[in-house]
Amino acid sequence: GDSVTQMEGPVTLSEEAFLTINCTYTATGYPSLFWYVQYPGEGLQLLLKATKADDKGSNKGFEATYRKETTSFHLEKGSVQVSDSAVYFCALNTNAGKSTFGDGTTLTVKP
Amino acid sequence: EAQVTQNPRYLITVTGKKLTVTCSQNMNHEYMSWYRQDPGLGLRQIYYSMNVEVTDKGDVPEGYKVSRKEKRNFPLILESPSPNQTSLYFCASSLTSGSAGELFFGEGSRLTVL
Repeated sequence: GDSVTQMEGPVTLSEEAFLTINCTYTATGYPSLFWYVQYPGEGLQLLLKATKADDKGSNKGFEATYRKETTSFHLEKGSVQVSDSAVYFCALNTNAGKSTFGDGTTLTVKP
Repeated sequence: EAQVTQNPRYLITVTGKKLTVTCSQNMNHEYMSWYRQDPGLGLRQIYYSMNVEVTDKGDVPEGYKVSRKEKRNFPLILESPSPNQTSLYFCASSLTSGSAGELFFGEGSRLTVL
């Protein structure tokens, strides 16, 4: 079946540091890929997405590129802020209606 | 305001006492889905619905039932809850059932089964 593997956390960074959270996937067909963010006590919300190979999703300074050859969708941000502290989930959707999430990576940014 | 509303937000119950968690969306979304979130396991899909009267099993459907009689509502039913169903539950919806559709999540329902 489909699966998503995320970099294990937690991740702790200082403000303005560079962030990478690795995400790789296995899926049949051509899934769409997503990063969702969950702030404490809230539901998940979309951070960015990419729907086909070589697409780059970007939002709020975060970026991720859909790499079909390496089956990856790594999340990056050049300079993190304290307000970026949250749990980040990599996910994929198939046309069959199924969605698969990674285990989540907790990011803490210290001032 | 566009939103997905779940109720109750918090519930403590006992083994075997039937309960229903309601989910409603006001965005005229075609697709709806239920997930449970457990520490170290991420989100796992329980059931999903690609349209009214169409429901399918996700990865962890055992012990749960759903129905989709109206487009806006997608209740999750636990006929005989057990302690291993203690979890944080999320309902989500999407405009399209295609793979590109982003999910809009409710705020979650924390269920404890004693």
